[in-house]
Amino acid sequence: DTEVTQTPKHLVMGMTNKKSLKCEQHMGHRAMYWYKQKAKKPPELMFVYSYEKLSINESVPSRFSPECPNSSLLNLHLHALQPEDSALYLCASSQVHSLEQYFGPGTRLTVT
Amino acid sequence: AQSVTQPDIHITVSEGASLELRCNYSYGATPYLFWYVQSPGQGLQLLLKYFSGDTLVQGIKGFEAEFKRSQSSFNLRKPSVHWSDAAEYFCAVGASSSNDYKLSFGAGTTVTVRA
Repeated sequence: DTEVTQTPKHLVMGMTNKKSLKCEQHMGHRAMYWYKQKAKKPPELMFVYSYEKLSINESVPSRFSPECPNSSLLNLHLHALQPEDSALYLCASSQVHSLEQYFGPGTRLTVT
Repeated sequence: AQSVTQPDIHITVSEGASLELRCNYSYGATPYLFWYVQSPGQGLQLLLKYFSGDTLVQGIKGFEAEFKRSQSSFNLRKPSVHWSDAAEYFCAVGASSSNDYKLSFGAGTTVTVRA
């Protein structure tokens, strides 16, 4: 059973659109992560939230804007994306100060 | 900083045969080590982890891995593969003494299972 859920499963957006990816975890974790994964590559860390506060931003362009409204939810707001931003976006969660991360199924994003 | 090398890009194995995936890490202290599996179009599923203690760890789906400090390795094994084991496998390492709690992933090994 997946205790980290992500919506939507697939998203196609134009370069001028604004959209949001959503992640929800039911594991009682207080750390949440966004990763970007290109085909045949490992995940690349984008953002980390600890106790609902942004703790790591891996120099991600401002067209990606994360938000953590509460301990269970994590959003990624998208605006003015480029075709090279097309990828699988993965959410993960863990206990704070733990490396044991649990991943959601991902959102497949295509930017046209 | 820690790093991981997975020497094998692609492995093909017959159904019912044994499987071993190699993982070498670089880290000065005792690392935290993980194996994840990713089926096509899916997220990553944690197979097993090593933090300390017994160097042979058991995971889900019949997988096990052995931590060998002298060889800086954490190889994944399964005695008899099933067609459903065809997937991408990632080894990851985390720093036990760091405050950033970030994982470093290997490039991955694609496993193909032939009938």
